[in-house]
This record gives sequence, structure tokens and C-alpha cells, in this order.
Amino acid sequence: QKEVEQDPGPLSVPEGAIVSLNCTYSNSAFQYFMWYRQYSRKGPELLMYTYSSGNKEDGRFTAQVDKSSKYISLFIRDSQPSDSATYLCAMSADKGGSEKLVFGKGTKLTVNP
Amino acid sequence: KAGVTQTPRYLIKTRGQQVTLSCSPISGHRSVSWYQQTPGQGLQFLFEYFSETQRNKGNFPGRFSGRQFSNSRSEMNVSTLELGDSALYLCASGGQAGTEAFFGQGTRLTVV
Repeated sequence: QKEVEQDPGPLSVPEGAIVSLNCTYSNSAFQYFMWYRQYSRKGPELLMYTYSSGNKEDGRFTAQVDKSSKYISLFIRDSQPSDSATYLCAMSADKGGSEKLVFGKGTKLTVNP
Repeated sequence: KAGVTQTPRYLIKTRGQQVTLSCSPISGHRSVSWYQQTPGQGLQFLFEYFSETQRNKGNFPGRFSGRQFSNSRSEMNVSTLELGDSALYLCASGGQAGTEAFFGQGTRLTVV
């Protein structure tokens, strides 16, 4: 079993839809959870960063962490064509810098106008 | 504030050659990590440097090495290139607190 599992999609939705992206993980030591957005031919861009369980909201984006189920989610409200990208979840057990993040393989999202 | 800068953006090398990639982290960041991204394996951790010391290492062969300089700039080197080394190599920098990692644009290496 991989440490982090993420459905690769692709996921195609109409503009304005609510998008739900998910990852599951097996390592109970993970405490720090991140979502990155990666446009084609670009580096990943940090979207959301959460510690332990709970919700975090930033504009149209909401990140949820359920440590008891080892499950994290990213919700995108009122999705826009500019949200079309690959979304990567990442997690880490250690705090302190940019050291060893474990990534999901990414979900490719297309938002159709 | 300038972001993470990676050079060069693109490289084409032949099998058996070696290559050096460069990364300049965000000003003030002392941690630099390197990742390899391929369609099949996704993003995989190579190694991490903090204050010129390798602090973590992923499961890659010894052909992959790196170093960090006193100004926090980092280089990674791949020797005896193989076709399977073709990938996007990403550098991430982080501050002392928290695990937010900010990525550069990457260097796309093609081995022919």
C-alpha cells in the first residue's frame, strides 16, 4: 500500500461547480497536510496548509483533514476555468522546513466554460 | 520577494553524461529540498539540505548527489545519466518554522 493515495482522474466539471478532491494515507505520523496546484510546465504552487485535523478556508478553497479516517479533502467552490490544473496533496510528519514531503500522484482537473 | 529560481529550465543530455542543476531559494530560507517528478512515479523526494548539511535523503542511487553553499544556494548532480533519469527536477525552499515548501519552476531534463 502506498503511503499516499490520490485518484488521478481526470476530473472534468462545468464552470461554477463544486469540486471535491481527496487523498487517503496510511502513515498515522503525518501531521502536516498541504495542497498544491500545478499548471502544465510549471512548478507546484502551495494552495493550502493545515496542521492536524480540522478545516481551513481560504476564499473559494476549503481544506479538510480527518486524521481518524486518514483522509484529507480539498473543496473548490464556484470553480473557474483558471482552476484547471493538476492538484497534488502532500503530507509530512516533521515540522521544520521543506524536508521530506510525501506526495499523492495528483488529480488532473478541467473546468469547462 | 523573489521566488525560488532554478536554472537551467531545460536540458538535453546523452546517456552516460553528467549534469548539474542549480537552485536559489527564497531569501532567508535555509532549507532546500530536491524532488524528481515523472508521470509514472509522481513527485519523489531526493534529498534536503539545511545550513550546508544534508539532513534527509530519499531512496535514490548514489549517482544523485547534492550540496548547499553558505548562501543557501544548492546544486544537485546526476552522474552517468540513464534514460530513466528524464524528469522534471524540482527544488523547494522552506523557512525554519513550518513545513510550507515553495517550489521553483523546475528543470526539465531529457536524457537521449
